[in-house]
Amino acid sequence: GENVEQHPSTLSVQEGDSAVIKCTYSDSASNYFPWYKQELGKGPQLIIDIRSNVGEKKDQRIAVTLNKTAKHFSLHITETQPEDSAVYFCAARGTSYDKVIFGPGTSLSVIP
Amino acid sequence: GAVVSQHPSWVICKSGTSVKIECRSLDFQATTMFWYRQFPKQSLMLMATSNEGSKATYEQGVEKDKFLINHASLTLSTLTVTSAHPEDSSFYICSAVTQETQYFGPGTRLLVL
Repeated sequence: GENVEQHPSTLSVQEGDSAVIKCTYSDSASNYFPWYKQELGKGPQLIIDIRSNVGEKKDQRIAVTLNKTAKHFSLHITETQPEDSAVYFCAARGTSYDKVIFGPGTSLSVIP
Repeated sequence: GAVVSQHPSWVICKSGTSVKIECRSLDFQATTMFWYRQFPKQSLMLMATSNEGSKATYEQGVEKDKFLINHASLTLSTLTVTSAHPEDSSFYICSAVTQETQYFGPGTRLLVL
């Protein structure tokens, strides 16, 4: 089955700097890659996603890139703010109703 | 985005009792919902896939007789933890798919004493 790895497990950045989280997946049939932000005690919130027919997608300060050949995808957050501090999960999925498999998560701390 | 709700948000129960958690899609219909469990400082682990009108599909290692799932309508799935024990204490999160996107509920924290 699908296996998703994520690095780093923890990340501290100064406010205003950029943060990059990298993930790899194992199943070449996966074609949908969402990113979730989870704040303490809350459910995951979808922040951006990318499908396999697209190499890059951007939404304001957040961007995601996908390299299907290498089975890598990354999250980039620019101009980080303290409210960006949370745990971020990458994930991978096959068809629309397949299960989403999560990476282990990255705890991001933005230092004011 | 679409909204998924869960009830209750937290529950404390005695060992040996059963607890039911509800998951609702508020503004869309969901033929498929998923149930996840999350332990502190860990990732979400899929427990089962809930299909409306049919039996749930459980992941390997998840006891189907202990975690009963019922997807009675297109907007409601329930997870019942039967004969709960302290090791079942965890954060339970459901999700539902609409327009090819998976949305998550706010989670239910279960503490078994």
